[in-house]
This record gives sequence, C-alpha cells and structure tokens, in this order.
Amino acid sequence: DTGVSQDPRHKITKRGQNVTFRCDPISEHNRLYWYRQTLGQGPEFLTYFQNEAQLEKSRLLSDRFSAERPKGSFSTLEIQRTEQGDSAMYLCASSFHRGLADTQYFGPGTRLTVL
Amino acid sequence: AQTVTQSQPEMSVQEAETVTLSCTYDTSESDYYLFWYKQPPSRQMILVIRQEAYKQQNATENRFSVNFQKAAKSFSLKISDSQLGDAAMYFCAYRRGNAGNMLTFGGGTRLMVKP
Repeated sequence: DTGVSQDPRHKITKRGQNVTFRCDPISEHNRLYWYRQTLGQGPEFLTYFQNEAQLEKSRLLSDRFSAERPKGSFSTLEIQRTEQGDSAMYLCASSFHRGLADTQYFGPGTRLTVL
Repeated sequence: AQTVTQSQPEMSVQEAETVTLSCTYDTSESDYYLFWYKQPPSRQMILVIRQEAYKQQNATENRFSVNFQKAAKSFSLKISDSQLGDAAMYFCAYRRGNAGNMLTFGGGTRLMVKP
C-alpha cells in the first residue's frame, strides 16, 4: 500500500486554460475527497465520492470545476477557464467508510499556479 | 455551520520541552470527531491524533496527547519531549458524526522547534 498519490505535483498554466488533476486513493478505500488549500490557510472541502457516486459538493465548487470518479477507483478534478484565484494546493484524501469511524488519509497535493 | 479556530498562528518550543497548541470549535452537534493533522514543509498532511466526542477519556499517541473539553468546545494538543521533526504546520479539524463526512479545518499553527 503506497498511500494516496496525486499527479501532477505542480502545474503552471495561463489564465483561461483548462487543467485536470488526478488522484489515486489507497486501494480498497471507498471514499475519496477533494480539498483546496491556499497559502497559509487550512484546507477547504470541495467534494467527495463514495465509490463512483458524488455525494456532496461545496459551494466553493463553481460551475468551472468538475470532478469524476468513473469506476470508483481514481478520481479527476478538472478546472475550466482557470482564473488567478484558482491558484492553490489541491489535496486529495481517501478513507474506508465503515460506520462513523473512517479516517481520511491525504495525498501530497497538486500545486496549481495560474499566471 | 461548524467553525474551527486556532488562535496561535505560530508557536516555538525548545527541543525536549513540552508545547500545547490550542483549538476551539463551534458546533450544535453532539456526535462528532476531532483531529489533529501535521503538515511538514512541502510534505503531505498526516494524522497525528483523533478524538471521538462521545469518549470522555483524552486520546494519546506516544508523545502526543489531547485535552478535550467538550463543554468548553476546546481541543488542545500537547506535544511532549519535542523533537526537531515535530516542526510543521498543525491543523485542528472537525467532522460531524452522522451524514456528511467533510473535515472542517482551522487556520493552522506553525510550530518551530529550537535545537
């Protein structure tokens, strides 16, 4: 078990471009979460999946953001028409949901810089 | 909405000494979980310790322990015998116990350990 992995680790893009990030959770973890962390702040929840179903989305997740987890394994987060305000660290976490006691394990994050 | 507040942006401790990081939270729920996560510089977030709100006993993990005061909605982290490797950002986080699995994070405390 190699932990949660994210790709790429860094992404620099120009304003208006589309970007896509990938997250591979710990194997057999059925829940997957996306958070955004700006410099000097705590992470903020964006969305989460249980298996392939997207169960909750934050109001932070504007129409330009979309997330998928098509086969209940890896997930992608796409940002369309990027803006400078999208610059942040995007964190993925996974957990095995068994009743109420699941704990989230985080990946290393993808740092996005929008020029 | 739940909020988590960490009132100490930075803390400093001498190696081998003890330090306490503060966290307060606001919730109307009775069933919830509290967490401390550690985020070393340029490294991924890792779980330090977890506390279930229904448990009166304070959680401990080796050199890390918490002081959970449910009535005061306070959840502080004590690090004993501080080591250089403890230097990191520490985030306090809250999760509801029932439906809804998102973590709500505080703003973080940067801990510096002096040799």
